[in-house]
Amino acid sequence: EAQLVESGGALVKPGGSVRLSCAASGLTFTNAWMNWVRQAPGKGLEWIGRIKSKTDGGTADFASPVKGRFTISRDDSKGTLYLQMNSLRIEDTAVYYCTTGSWGIFHAFDVWGQGTTVTV
Amino acid sequence: QSALTQPRSLSGSPGQSVTISCTGTSSDVGGFDHVSWYQQHPGKAPKLMIYAVTKRPSGVPDRFSGSKSGTMASLTISGLQAEDEADYHCCSYAGTDRNLIFGGGTSLTVL
Repeated sequence: EAQLVESGGALVKPGGSVRLSCAASGLTFTNAWMNWVRQAPGKGLEWIGRIKSKTDGGTADFASPVKGRFTISRDDSKGTLYLQMNSLRIEDTAVYYCTTGSWGIFHAFDVWGQGTTVTV
Repeated sequence: QSALTQPRSLSGSPGQSVTISCTGTSSDVGGFDHVSWYQQHPGKAPKLMIYAVTKRPSGVPDRFSGSKSGTMASLTISGLQAEDEADYHCCSYAGTDRNLIFGGGTSLTVL
């Protein structure tokens, strides 16, 4: 069974930085396009970024609110996804989920981590 | 990035059917057949219920169905059960610039 486990959530001051990790198991991580989705307290879900598999170019795309401040990377040898968050703002306070879609599921996510909380 | 529009809350009685709407534009919901729906219980991660407008992942009851007309997508839950009480979020692919857009979420209460 596919499993994602996030870690690294923290309490950080505005302007600070934090790096989140997401450890994957039970899925072919090297082929997976991995995403980060966040949820501010009492709010809806917000897609913030995605990194393609290395075979598909390994590039990352971001939503406008985080572009230029957040970066996504992956270590396929460790089956781990990262989200580097810089220049943090109060509005970045949220639960951050890593997520992906199984084979045949496009632009939707059936595998989710439990989430990790970042408070700015 | 504008979110898709969902009703803030809905309610229904056990056994009834409810439909949750999700309104977008021709640049997202109306432009692609990649609308998905997620169920989220309090304190839990979202669960995929519908993808590609009408498809159900393995294990999702057939009481849940999705549809789309123009720029509005809908999730219908028939034979409402107590465990269906949750938040429901719609999502649409919006092209290579905006990628994925979510709705604000609908809180469903089973009376």
